[in-house]
Amino acid sequence: DVKVTQSSRYLVKRTGEKVFLECVQDMDHENMFWYRQDPGLGLRLIYFSYDVKMKEKGDIPEGYSVSREKKERFSLILESASTNQTSMYLCASSLRGQHYQPQHFGDGTRLSIL
Amino acid sequence: KQEVTQIPAALSVPEGENLVLNCSFTDSAIYNLQWFRQDPGKGLTSLLLIQSSQREQTSGRLNASLDKSSGRSTLYIAASQPGDSATYLCAVRQMNRDDKIIFGKGTRLHILP
Repeated sequence: DVKVTQSSRYLVKRTGEKVFLECVQDMDHENMFWYRQDPGLGLRLIYFSYDVKMKEKGDIPEGYSVSREKKERFSLILESASTNQTSMYLCASSLRGQHYQPQHFGDGTRLSIL
Repeated sequence: KQEVTQIPAALSVPEGENLVLNCSFTDSAIYNLQWFRQDPGKGLTSLLLIQSSQREQTSGRLNASLDKSSGRSTLYIAASQPGDSATYLCAVRQMNRDDKIIFGKGTRLHILP
């Protein structure tokens, strides 16, 4: 079974801090994704990576960056956290080019910026 | 641009009833459609994935159908139980859009004991 693990379930940080959210998957998936989920707005894609060191902006990349140094790990970075980045963050992974395979999700990180 | 819509946004149903959740999408050029369940404060659990060439998929009390030409999918839940209370999301993987998927905003389901 695919396992996608997010390092923290809950995180509280202060405005202006640099914040790292970590995600690890154990199924050798090429694709990894970061989403944020907000009431009334649904899931929105922040960044997508299809291989090590490769990244692509999603729908709402402003204020975020990512790092993919190893295939199994995809990090989301808030360079200078702001209160409007308080949200639920979800990581997912999938096989590249395997259009008939599902995305698998982690348990989410609920991030609060004070 | 692909849009995925789930109506209603919320639904309350007495325990034991059969129910249908709806998902519609505007562009029928999809590889698959996936139904997820999300419990409050948790991540997404994949329930069923229907390939574009399929009409339906079943898992236990759940049955998902797909009518690609009309841009619709339904998730049928038989003999509902309080443990089925959750938010249900559908998502489509569109052709020629890399490996990204596009989500609906979900239907929040409450099963009344």
